[in-house]
Amino acid sequence: KNEVEQSPQNLTAQEGEFITINCSYSVGISALHWLQQHPGGGIVSLFMLSSGKKKHGRLIATINIQEKHSSLHITASHPRDSAVYICAPRPGSQGNLIFGKGTKLSVKP
Amino acid sequence: SAVISQKPSRDICQRGTSLTIQCQVDSQVTMMFWYRQQPGQSLTLIATANQGSEATYESGFVIDKFPISRPNLTFSTLTVSNMSPEDSSIYLCSVSATGSTGELFFGEGSRLTVL
Repeated sequence: KNEVEQSPQNLTAQEGEFITINCSYSVGISALHWLQQHPGGGIVSLFMLSSGKKKHGRLIATINIQEKHSSLHITASHPRDSAVYICAPRPGSQGNLIFGKGTKLSVKP
Repeated sequence: SAVISQKPSRDICQRGTSLTIQCQVDSQVTMMFWYRQQPGQSLTLIATANQGSEATYESGFVIDKFPISRPNLTFSTLTVSNMSPEDSSIYLCSVSATGSTGELFFGEGSRLTVL
């Protein structure tokens, strides 16, 4: 069983739709990162969470440490949001990140 | 914040050759991380590079295949040696912010294709 499971693996949405990407993990963690990978391969860090909820523009990330689950939401999705979104928990306090396989999002105009 | 310049952005290489990837950061950082992302797979940590000491390699990665240099606090290189088609991947360098933010910064990635 993978330590990090993301769902869905692929997601196609119409512009303007509300998007939710889920991440479940099986180990105790100190923090969790959400990353965005562009088609060229470059990666941008979106959020780092250790509890609760964070919001940045149209992006919202939540985490429930007890349930070992995090979600990334995109409101009013736009074609420029098309990318792969990767969940990356950090086990323990100093462990190296473990990475989900990513969710490929395609937003159609 | 940190801005990372990584090059080459992509390359096509012949089997048996070696390629060195460079990673330049616009600020001094203690640790730099090198990742590999094989097609359709998640990122895998190759090694952690600290300035002034040998890199720490993860299980399954060895120095002879992936030698790393870290001559100063803003620069590192990863060499992929004696390449085979299985080495075709995206290679990324990364740093984390100092202090408590823990924010991550990544290079743009180097997409290698080995023929």
